[in-house]
Amino acid sequence: AQSVTQLGSHVSVSEGALVLLRCNYSSSVPPYLFWYVQYPNQGLQLLLKYTSAATLVKGINGFEAEFKKSETSFHLTKPSAHMSDAAEYFCAVSVRYAGGTSYGKLTFGQGTILTVHP
Amino acid sequence: DAGVIQSPRHEVTEMGQEVTLRCKPISGHDYLFWYRQTMMRGLELLIYFNNNVPIDDSGMPEDRFSAKMPNASFSTLKIQPSEPRDSAVYFCASSNRGESSYEQYFGPGTRLTVT
Repeated sequence: AQSVTQLGSHVSVSEGALVLLRCNYSSSVPPYLFWYVQYPNQGLQLLLKYTSAATLVKGINGFEAEFKKSETSFHLTKPSAHMSDAAEYFCAVSVRYAGGTSYGKLTFGQGTILTVHP
Repeated sequence: DAGVIQSPRHEVTEMGQEVTLRCKPISGHDYLFWYRQTMMRGLELLIYFNNNVPIDDSGMPEDRFSAKMPNASFSTLKIQPSEPRDSAVYFCASSNRGESSYEQYFGPGTRLTVT
């Protein structure tokens, strides 16, 4: 079975500072990896995804993430935080093999709340 | 495309009442997921369907919860009888196996309050 650990339930940065949200995964087979963002009172929206192409993945709103197999990590970064980035961020993993009850299923981390100070 | 549609957006009910949440997935998607989100437990997968057939309902908390998908464009999640501890935001999501990466598209959620 796969799992996701997000390090830090709350991260606080100043506007203009680097954003780094950490995600480590566990999977016995090659994974698909995702970052979702949730703004207050809204559903989850996909930021970016890794599907075995380039290991550095660029997403919406200036975010990017790098897949590092040796570290089993998929950390999310943004060079310069904006006030509008304040939200909760979820890392998720899915598996590629066919069959079983894991097929098509995402396993989510516990989420990281990002606060951006002026 | 209108995206995943959920109704109602807010539901307030009294303990013991039946609650039905509704979801319309994105047209052409063959997977549908029901999640529950609370502060204490985070985002939990309750059940998911593939081609209208339930595949994994291991996350359904107890027999009070049931879900159906009578056709490819509609699903319901029913709680009977409801209890205060069922208060949460319930999300529906859909995905397309043909996209091969299982990206899920989420609806706006239904905020359920049981008093």
